[in-house]
Amino acid sequence: EAAVTQSPRSKVAVTGGKVTLSCHQTNNHDYMYWYRQDTGHGLRLIHYSYVADSTEKGDIPDGYKASRPSQENFSLILELASLSQTAVYFCASSEGLGGYEQYFGPGTRLTVL
Amino acid sequence: GEQVEQLPSSLIVQEGASVLINCSYTDSASVYFPWYKQEPGKRLQFIIDIRSNMERKQNQRLTLLFDKKTKHLSLHITATQPGDSAIYFCSARGSALGRLHFGAGTQLIVIP
Repeated sequence: EAAVTQSPRSKVAVTGGKVTLSCHQTNNHDYMYWYRQDTGHGLRLIHYSYVADSTEKGDIPDGYKASRPSQENFSLILELASLSQTAVYFCASSEGLGGYEQYFGPGTRLTVL
Repeated sequence: GEQVEQLPSSLIVQEGASVLINCSYTDSASVYFPWYKQEPGKRLQFIIDIRSNMERKQNQRLTLLFDKKTKHLSLHITATQPGDSAIYFCSARGSALGRLHFGAGTQLIVIP
């Protein structure tokens, strides 16, 4: 059974609108991450969290907020969606520091029109 | 910050052939290098990793070589099968809080 789930799996949003992407994990992991994937760029880290009620900025946080209300849930919020935020978004979780494998969700395809 | 580069960007081979995917990184403090595979429309899946105190790791048809001096990794896949068709991502993790830096990926297509 999938241990990292994302919702919605796809979304079309209008420019300037608010978008919330949700992620839920049942791995009992402390660390959770949000990445975006663009063709030719691999995955880039937007925000991450290592404990509930705390989030950290990744490499490309501008235009995004994150929320970690519980160990299991991690949300990515686009307050004012823009065309440049059209991408596939992946959530991931990992057990902790060191050489820990990250477990990825299935991705959310976001199209901003 | 860390920069991870992969070459080639794409590969097309006949079933049974061997392939080599190259990866280089810039941050000498990086210590952990996991590789992921993404089949079309699917999530990324971990396939193999190596730490900076190792030179070689093998997992069935996958062999990962690591050269700390040149900051270079190579993923060798032998006896390729159509099911190996996917995008392969190299990544590097430094000493920071579990943050991975990904390469742009190598798309492998294996023709039956």
